[in-house]
Amino acid sequence: TQLLEQSPQFLSIQEGENLTVYCNSSSVFSSLQWYRQEPGEGPVLLVTVVTGGEVKKLKRLTFQFGDARKDSSLHITAAQPGDTGLYLCAGAHSGYALNFGKGTSLLVTP
Amino acid sequence: KAGVTQTPRYLIKTRGQQVTLSCSPISGHRSVSWYQQTPGQGLQFLFEYFSETQRNKGNFPGRFSGRQFSNSRSEMNVSTLELGDSALYLCASSLEPLSPLHFGNGTRLTVT
Repeated sequence: TQLLEQSPQFLSIQEGENLTVYCNSSSVFSSLQWYRQEPGEGPVLLVTVVTGGEVKKLKRLTFQFGDARKDSSLHITAAQPGDTGLYLCAGAHSGYALNFGKGTSLLVTP
Repeated sequence: KAGVTQTPRYLIKTRGQQVTLSCSPISGHRSVSWYQQTPGQGLQFLFEYFSETQRNKGNFPGRFSGRQFSNSRSEMNVSTLELGDSALYLCASSLEPLSPLHFGNGTRLTVT
């Protein structure tokens, strides 16, 4: 099992603020996926990053895969209450099932 | 396209009983994975099936078992339930192993 550490564990901010959450590992991944989970629902895929150094943007969300493919970050610009949820990263490695971090619980208040 | 369907949505069982959870994947998806989610441990991997074969198994005791049928539907079984088995059990399907997962909304199991 390759351990994925996510930080911070909890984050409470006001609408309009920017934030960054991190996903770190000592293992190299072939790809890394980010999911968001809302209460009472299953996680929903946001993005998959594959190439070291890759940056992907999804509206106000920016995802980056580290050059060494061991870490990733998610940056949210001008957070909105609708961004509230649990953000999970998951690393893919050939021969292993997807391994999830424990997540960052984000609360955005109006 | 219908999403991943998990049944039942909620379940209350007593210690010592057994339980079977069901998962219907997205049509065309041949890979099904199961995860246990608890507040303290997050999502922990249980099993992964691909074309009816168990491809990977997580670090759970033998009381946890699963299977996949020829139509890709999957079931997981937990025998001799313990209080610590109370959790949200999530099923996810994908086209193939390591592809992005499509999750169901889970089965909330409470063991009393």
